[in-house]
Amino acid sequence: AQSVTQLDSQVPVFEEAPVELRCNYSSSVSVYLFWYVQYPNQGLQLLLKYLSGSTLVKGINGFEAEFNKSQTSFHLRKPSVHISDTAEYFCAVRKIQGAQKLVFGQGTRLTINP
Amino acid sequence: GAGVSQSPRYKVAKRGQDVALRCDPISGHVSLFWYQQALGQGPEFLTYFQNEAQLDKSGLPSDRFFAERPEGSVSTLKIQRTQQEDSAVYLCASRQFPGPRHGELFFGEGSRLTVL
Repeated sequence: AQSVTQLDSQVPVFEEAPVELRCNYSSSVSVYLFWYVQYPNQGLQLLLKYLSGSTLVKGINGFEAEFNKSQTSFHLRKPSVHISDTAEYFCAVRKIQGAQKLVFGQGTRLTINP
Repeated sequence: GAGVSQSPRYKVAKRGQDVALRCDPISGHVSLFWYQQALGQGPEFLTYFQNEAQLDKSGLPSDRFFAERPEGSVSTLKIQRTQQEDSAVYLCASRQFPGPRHGELFFGEGSRLTVL
């Protein structure tokens, strides 16, 4: 089975500061990796995904993430955050072969302070 | 439609009542998923359809939960004899084809169920 651990339940940062949201996963088989964002009262939206190739993945809204296979991590970063980035962020994995379902972490609430 | 549509957005049920939650996926999308998101938690997988076939229902928590997609488009999640622990947001998602290399998974805004 797969599992995802998001190490921080809440991350407060000041506007224009850099941010890193941490994600570690556990799986006995190879997986694809995803980050989703959920704005208040909205559905989840895909930020970025790692399927193969370059381990540094760029997504929407200036976010990027780096896949580290040896550390089983997929941390999300942004060099300068904006008030509009305030949201809940979810890391997720999916087996490359077999089951179609995504397994999500518990989420990290990012709060941007002016 | 423009996106995945779910109804009702909010549902309050008395313990023991049956509820039905509807999902209208994006037109033509083959894959459809249901997830349950408890307060302060990440979404948890419930079930997966490819067209009208329910290929995975391993996440349904009990036999009180039932999902269908009879014509391969609209899907309904039914919960019988609701319990307080069923209170959650139920998310529906669809994708044009199976597999993450074949397009993005689009989520609806969810149906928030509160069981009193």
